[in-house]
Amino acid sequence: SAVISQKPSRDICQRGTSLTIQCQVDSQVTMMFWYRQQPGQSLTLIATANQGSEATYESGFVIDKFPISRPNLTFSTLTVSNMSPEDSSIYLCSVPPPGGTEAFFGQGTRLTVV
Amino acid sequence: AQSVTQLDSQVPVFEEAPVELRCNYSSSVSVYLFWYVQYPNQGLQLLLKYLSGSTLVKGINGFEAEFNKSQTSFHLRKPSVHISDTAEYFCAVRDAGGTSYGKLTFGQGTILTVHP
Repeated sequence: SAVISQKPSRDICQRGTSLTIQCQVDSQVTMMFWYRQQPGQSLTLIATANQGSEATYESGFVIDKFPISRPNLTFSTLTVSNMSPEDSSIYLCSVPPPGGTEAFFGQGTRLTVV
Repeated sequence: AQSVTQLDSQVPVFEEAPVELRCNYSSSVSVYLFWYVQYPNQGLQLLLKYLSGSTLVKGINGFEAEFNKSQTSFHLRKPSVHISDTAEYFCAVRDAGGTSYGKLTFGQGTILTVHP
């Protein structure tokens, strides 16, 4: 299984500011996924990050709000921009194993916007 | 597109009792099915998965699930729960086609609380 490290593990941010979340994987992966888990809710896919190309966003998520970088095959960042209290969530990075069918998840970043 | 419905948002149960967490899905294509567990303040851990073949799949920690294609269900069971099983459980589905690999659709989650 892949080891996925996310930073920061948690943060409390002021509204109107931005936070960049880092995801580091211990092996090279083609795709990385970013999910959001709002309080008391399930996980919702934000976007798919491919190395060397623009991220693909799901309905309801836009690049201006959630810009994503994917500079190499082991690293990605998700920025939550111009934050509001509604952005308070757990953000999780996920990767599929090579040739595998499931997804592995990082520990998540617990974001609180005040 | 797929959707997943977990029929119970919370399931309280006493220690050593059996438990079933219910999951139904909807999809127009073949799917793979998963159960994940999330312990407090932790990420998601894969419990088990159904890809094909035998409809009864066994996972970690004594859990098992049965795939029922006619009822589009994938219920999770454990014959005897422990306090340490207290967690939130998520049912998830993905398109069995190669282009969707790693991209999951999740249910709303079921909080299992095991009481002594």
